[in-house]
Amino acid sequence: DGGITQSPKYLFRKEGQNVTLSCEQNLNHDAMYWYRQDPGQGLRLIYYSQIVNDFQKGDIAEGYSVSREKKESFPLTVTSAQKNPTAFYLCASSTNTGSYEQYFGPGTRLTVT
Amino acid sequence: AQSVSQHNHHVILSEAASLELGCNYSYGGTVNLFWYVQYPGQHLQLLLKYFSGDPLVKGIKGFEAEFIKSKFSFNLRKPSVQWSDTAEYFCAVADSGGYNKLIFGAGTRLAVHP
Repeated sequence: DGGITQSPKYLFRKEGQNVTLSCEQNLNHDAMYWYRQDPGQGLRLIYYSQIVNDFQKGDIAEGYSVSREKKESFPLTVTSAQKNPTAFYLCASSTNTGSYEQYFGPGTRLTVT
Repeated sequence: AQSVSQHNHHVILSEAASLELGCNYSYGGTVNLFWYVQYPGQHLQLLLKYFSGDPLVKGIKGFEAEFIKSKFSFNLRKPSVQWSDTAEYFCAVADSGGYNKLIFGAGTRLAVHP
């Protein structure tokens, strides 16, 4: 089945620790995205990547980092510098042909205490 | 910067009631518009999209949306809701700056009571 997988579904960390969220897609999409979803705020873009080895900051990139070494994978690291990391994180992918339609993974709920 | 406004954060309806969820966007040029839905415990999925042509767009599960350029609106409608329509609905506009970026509204949480 083609799709996007995110792991784990739930993640718990202590304050001050970095944590990496996994996102893998087998849709052969060039572009991948990370969003943060908070109640009442919709989806806010953290980072996006249009092609392997290239990525750009989104609207709320502070305290986050990404890499794009493979087409299929776009891991997100939540660093200790992120002031309010507890949230639901969504990964998405799309083609680069201008259709703009994004396909989403199931999400990872991160809780930092 | 472009933005998307969804007027209702929470909507509660009884089954068979009609639904209209408001969405307004800020960009005045050519727009690509989307409605996504997130059912409880499921992936965010595309409900319908508008790129050009007929401003009345039909989507999955009986939903439709009307693009009204003069009002900068793209409201979502369904004539008769079901309990299974309970979900969160997000309106989105493609960023005019390109890069396939989408700008999402804050979402509307719909609860349908039997």
